[in-house]
Parts: sequence; structure tokens; C-alpha cells
Amino acid sequence: ELKVEQNPLFLSMQEGKNYTIYCNYSTTSDRLYWYRQDPGKSLESLFVLLSNGAVKQEGRLMASLDTKARLSTLHITAAVHDLSATYFCAVAKIQGAQKLVFGQGTRLTINP
Amino acid sequence: GAGVSQTPSNKVTEKGKYVELRCDPISGHTALYWYRQSLGQGPEFLIYFQGTGAADDSGLPNDRFFAVRPEGSVSTLKIQRTERGDSAVYLCASSLKSEPGLARNEQFFGPGTRLTVL
Repeated sequence: ELKVEQNPLFLSMQEGKNYTIYCNYSTTSDRLYWYRQDPGKSLESLFVLLSNGAVKQEGRLMASLDTKARLSTLHITAAVHDLSATYFCAVAKIQGAQKLVFGQGTRLTINP
Repeated sequence: GAGVSQTPSNKVTEKGKYVELRCDPISGHTALYWYRQSLGQGPEFLIYFQGTGAADDSGLPNDRFFAVRPEGSVSTLKIQRTERGDSAVYLCASSLKSEPGLARNEQFFGPGTRLTVL
């Protein structure tokens, strides 16, 4: 059974600092997604990572994938308040139905 | 173009009642998914459709839950004899296709229906 674990689950940080959210998954997968969710809102797609060593960057966020370690990271550089949200990673099974298995989410709070 | 839409945005019902939740996917998307998100948790898969047929319904918690997509576009999630534990946000997503090995297969989520069972 595919399991996805994120850590930390809660993260409070100051503006201007750097930090990393980790996403581990238990079985082989061929794609990994990062989503952002604001309170009371739906999921916004941030990154799709498809291959080992993939790195994607958008603004202050950078995501990477290591399929051998079954690990993805979401790195935040010089955080700003607008990045406060809950971040989810999700993994699709390599064959069969393309349902996503989500991590528990990381609630990120960035303080001025 | 328009994104995934879901109606109603909020639904309050009493225990034992029947509810229907509607999802309108992005035009041209053949794959449609339903997820359920409880407070403070990540979404959990319920069912997915490729076209009109349910290709995987392994996430439906029991036989009170049923979903249809009769014309391969709009889908309705139906919950019979609702229980308080069914309270959650029900999310619908769609993707262009759903095939193993397809490069992106990215799922786009709707705003959700918040179901409260009293």
C-alpha cells in the first residue's frame, strides 16, 4: 500500500528565512505533485515532478525529486508572508488507476 | 476557460438524509476524480472515472456512497443515509486523460463542497 508522509506537519518561520519541507513515499511511483491550499480554499497545483533528479522552481519555491530515495523536497527561500498556507505532496501509483495519495500536509505560517 | 466547478459550495443536512454533490469538470477532460478531505487532513481518494465508467471505486467507504457520470462530463456523488462521520469537504478533480505513463496527467481541483451532517 502506498503511503506518503510529510514533515514537519507544522512550521512557523520568520520572513526572510529558508526552510525545507520533506515528502517521503513508500513504493515506486512515476510522478509526484506539490499543491498549495489556503484556508477554506481548494488545491492549487504548484509542481509536477516526473523523473529522478527533477528540479522545478517558481519564485521562492523549489521542488526536487529523488526517486531512488523516494523523497521529494519543497524548499522555501527568503520566505514572505504570502507563502503562508498548507502544502501537500501527492504521489501517483506507477500503474493502474492514476489516483493520488496525499501526505498529511504541512501547515506553514510565516511571521513578519 | 473555466476550471472545475462544484455545486453546492455548502450543504447542511440531517443524519439519515440523502444528498447529491455535483461536479462539472474542465471541458475536454476525460478523467474525473472524487476525493474527500476531513479537517486537518490531506484529501483521500474515493473514485475515478475514465469517460462514463468508474475505472476505480476502491476508495468509496461503503455502499452508501455512489457516483455516476452518465455522459462522460458532469458527475454526481450520491450519499445515502448520511452519517455525522460523512461531514467533510468533497473535492472533485479532472485531468486531460488518465493513462499510465502519460507525461503530465495533472489533476485540477474544484473548490469543493463542504458537507455538514447534523
